[in-house]
Amino acid sequence: DTEVTQTPKHLVMGMTNKKSLKCEQHMGHRAMYWYKQKAKKPPELMFVYSYEKLSINESVPSRFSPECPNSSLLNLHLHALQPEDSALYLCASTGVSSTDTQYFGPGTRLTVL
Amino acid sequence: GESVGLHLPTLSVQEGDNSIINCAYSNSASDYFIWYKQESGKGPQFIIDIRSNMDKRQGQRVTVLLNKTVKHLSLQIAATQPGDSAVYFCAENMDTGRRALTFGSGTRLQVQP
Repeated sequence: DTEVTQTPKHLVMGMTNKKSLKCEQHMGHRAMYWYKQKAKKPPELMFVYSYEKLSINESVPSRFSPECPNSSLLNLHLHALQPEDSALYLCASTGVSSTDTQYFGPGTRLTVL
Repeated sequence: GESVGLHLPTLSVQEGDNSIINCAYSNSASDYFIWYKQESGKGPQFIIDIRSNMDKRQGQRVTVLLNKTVKHLSLQIAATQPGDSAVYFCAENMDTGRRALTFGSGTRLQVQP
């Protein structure tokens, strides 16, 4: 099983709302990632968790707050977002070696009004 | 290839022909490379990978070639089918300590029936 699941598939929120994106994998992977993808652009790395600890934050604004409750789950908490934050948010996971394959979820399409 | 503005480079081929998608990567120290396929509204799907100690790797209908001298990666798809229509991204692992991928700008493959 190489599945990464993400919920919800679509999310529309206002600039004053608080919402969360969820990601789950059961492949025993110990590294999990959040990427942001704008239309016609490649995915851009936001955060990396390694063994449930935040290891990389690519200078992401604090209105995005990641959380890794356990080795299978990854959340992205959203608060006071801007319309330009509208994008496809992708979760990925991989094993511990730098050459392990990184598998992506289907993404959450976020629209900020 | 590189994107210009919001337009992805596009490769248009006839069904049954072979396709070659090219990618120039950034870091001569990158040790691992992956090709992903992304269909509209979906997350990137792993196609094939290659380590820097190899020049060529073959999968089912796909071949990846790595030329480290000129920092060039290519994906060859044999007997291209309509289901191969998608955006293709190359990705490199630029920093073995980070286990995070950097994506190329992507190429859209259109297969004409």
